[in-house]
Amino acid sequence: AQSVTQLDSHVSVSEGTPVLLRCNYSSSYSPSLFWYVQHPNKGLQLLLKYTSAATLVKGINGFEAEFKKSETSFHLTKPSAHMSDAAEYFCVVSTGGGNKLTFGTGTQLKVEL
Amino acid sequence: DTAVSQTPKYLVTQMGNDKSIKCEQNLGHDTMYWYKQDSKKFLKIMFSYNNKELIINETVPNRFSPKSPDKAHLNLHINSLELGDSAVYFCASSQDLRRSFVGYTFGSGTRLTVV
Repeated sequence: AQSVTQLDSHVSVSEGTPVLLRCNYSSSYSPSLFWYVQHPNKGLQLLLKYTSAATLVKGINGFEAEFKKSETSFHLTKPSAHMSDAAEYFCVVSTGGGNKLTFGTGTQLKVEL
Repeated sequence: DTAVSQTPKYLVTQMGNDKSIKCEQNLGHDTMYWYKQDSKKFLKIMFSYNNKELIINETVPNRFSPKSPDKAHLNLHINSLELGDSAVYFCASSQDLRRSFVGYTFGSGTRLTVV
């Protein structure tokens, strides 16, 4: 069985400050891990993915995430938040046949002036 | 060019009606999916097709019937709509199972409202 836990349902930061969105995963096998972003009333966009290559993964829009097997974590970070980063972020795990994705419950990021 | 396109974008209908949502992808992917996003934004897989063959069928009422006429299309038909079916339905596609899996490409969603 596979699952992800997003530790914060809401995160609020000031523009220009760092962003940290936390995710822990559980998987019986070597997982593939993803972060997706959903802007209001929009579809889901892939930010970045980990598929057993480098543990530090760089994505679009300045985001990156580090896979830490010992901590079963895949936290998403960005050095400096921008107003346009305000959105819902989903941590996602994939293992097993069928390429089934299991989504976390989401973290809503709010960016304030 | 839109990679994964869903129609309609919005759908408002009465309880008891039958409706369909269409999905098409032009990425040459072999696998397509339907996901449901509820009012709390939780996303859960409903169905997955690989080359027109059903490979994932989660616990979904049999009022929901997917149909894949070819590997570029995966439509979702819903019979006897209920209030609880109100949600955003996302179509997605990915590369063949035998290749490295690098994630999905999602459509922009269909917001279904049952009144």
